[in-house]
Amino acid sequence: AQSVTQLDSQVPVFEEAPVELRCNYSSSVSVYLFWYVQYPNQGLQLLLKYLSGSTLVKGINGFEAEFNKSQTSFHLRKPSVHISDTAEYFCAVSNFGNEKLTFGTGTRLTIIP
Amino acid sequence: ETGVTQSPTHLIKTRGQQVTLRCSSQSGHNTVSWYQQALGQGPQFIFQYYREEENGRGNFPPRFSGLQFPNYSSELNVNALELDDSALYLCASSLVGVNYGYTFGSGTRLTVV
Repeated sequence: AQSVTQLDSQVPVFEEAPVELRCNYSSSVSVYLFWYVQYPNQGLQLLLKYLSGSTLVKGINGFEAEFNKSQTSFHLRKPSVHISDTAEYFCAVSNFGNEKLTFGTGTRLTIIP
Repeated sequence: ETGVTQSPTHLIKTRGQQVTLRCSSQSGHNTVSWYQQALGQGPQFIFQYYREEENGRGNFPPRFSGLQFPNYSSELNVNALELDDSALYLCASSLVGVNYGYTFGSGTRLTVV
């Protein structure tokens, strides 16, 4: 079985400040890792994904994440946030050969002007 | 290319009733997955369909059922609705062989009263 823990349910950040959203996962086998963003009253949009290769993954809207196998983490970062980044962010995991996504409970990112 | 379209966007049903939610896959996608997102939670995997057959199921009772049609559109049916079925239902389509290229719809908000 696999699981995802998002350590912060809410993260307030001042505009133009950096942000890190934390994600830890548990799985007995190798994994694929994802970050999705959900804007109010919308579905999920893929920010980035780690399948293999370089542990530093760059995504859309200036976000990046680093896969750390020893710490079973996949934290999301952005060096300078904007008001438009206000949204709910979900970390997700999937096992090789199984396309089911297991999501965390989400982190609400609020940007303070 | 068209995205994933879900209908209706909102729905109110009475406990014990049955409901059908619909999803049109993104053009060229042949796999569809359904997720349930309760308020304040991450999406939970219900099931996936590929070539009109169920291809994986999460921890949901049999009263949750689905169909995939030859044009790859899909339906989610829920019988004997319970209050706890109130949630946002998300449909995601993908193409087998393309690593986790999911496209999510905006969802159907179901309220059971």
